Amino acid sequence: GAVVSQHPSRVICKSGTSVKIECRSLDFQATTMFWYRQFPKQSLMLMATSNEGSKATYEQGVEKDKFLINHASLTLSTLTVTSAHPEDSSFYICSASPGTNSPLHFGNGTRLTVT
Amino acid sequence: DAKTTQPPSMDCAEGRAANLPCNHSTISGNEYVYWYRQIHSQGPQYIIHGLKNNETNEMASLIITEDRKSSTLILPHATLRDTAVYYCIVRVAGTASKLTFGTGTRLQVTL
Repeated sequence: GAVVSQHPSRVICKSGTSVKIECRSLDFQATTMFWYRQFPKQSLMLMATSNEGSKATYEQGVEKDKFLINHASLTLSTLTVTSAHPEDSSFYICSASPGTNSPLHFGNGTRLTVT
Repeated sequence: DAKTTQPPSMDCAEGRAANLPCNHSTISGNEYVYWYRQIHSQGPQYIIHGLKNNETNEMASLIITEDRKSSTLILPHATLRDTAVYYCIVRVAGTASKLTFGTGTRLQVTL
């Protein structure tokens, strides 16, 4: 159980366009989901906390107008990278937990390449 | 969340036990120790977690010292598929809180 699914797994887009990444909890509901970013040879860095029915909470240095997060249901959160630039190329990973004492489970990530 | 310290890399022969250490000397009484691993180009995979007692599941064993300032993840019979970066993370119990990742230990399992 506790499966988190991300889509797409890979996306290539042109500079200036927007890309939407979906994160779904398949067999549980999640009021909170977390979005991470990972650059090559680095660890995961938390970008934002997605809250169902309310605004996301962004980590310091993450532009909320560039990385739009929508958590419209208890099983779906989306991250939209707006006006993408090559420096936004990265591995984006979401995570969620079935409950307060349960481990966080992670999606398989989305590799974004901006050309 | 308390900071953790792990060796940057370790090697292990296939079939042998892999023992991965982690120091968390500033851990609080309400913080669990979690272990995750990340195989190249995949999302992190949950392995095991514990508060103060030793834990075992189908993947690994977790040994936590009595003072809780350090722990060891044990993969009893490492295989090539266990090659990954292993992260030790502490997280407050009873919350749906975030995980803060350090740099982890890169485990290389060799023939």
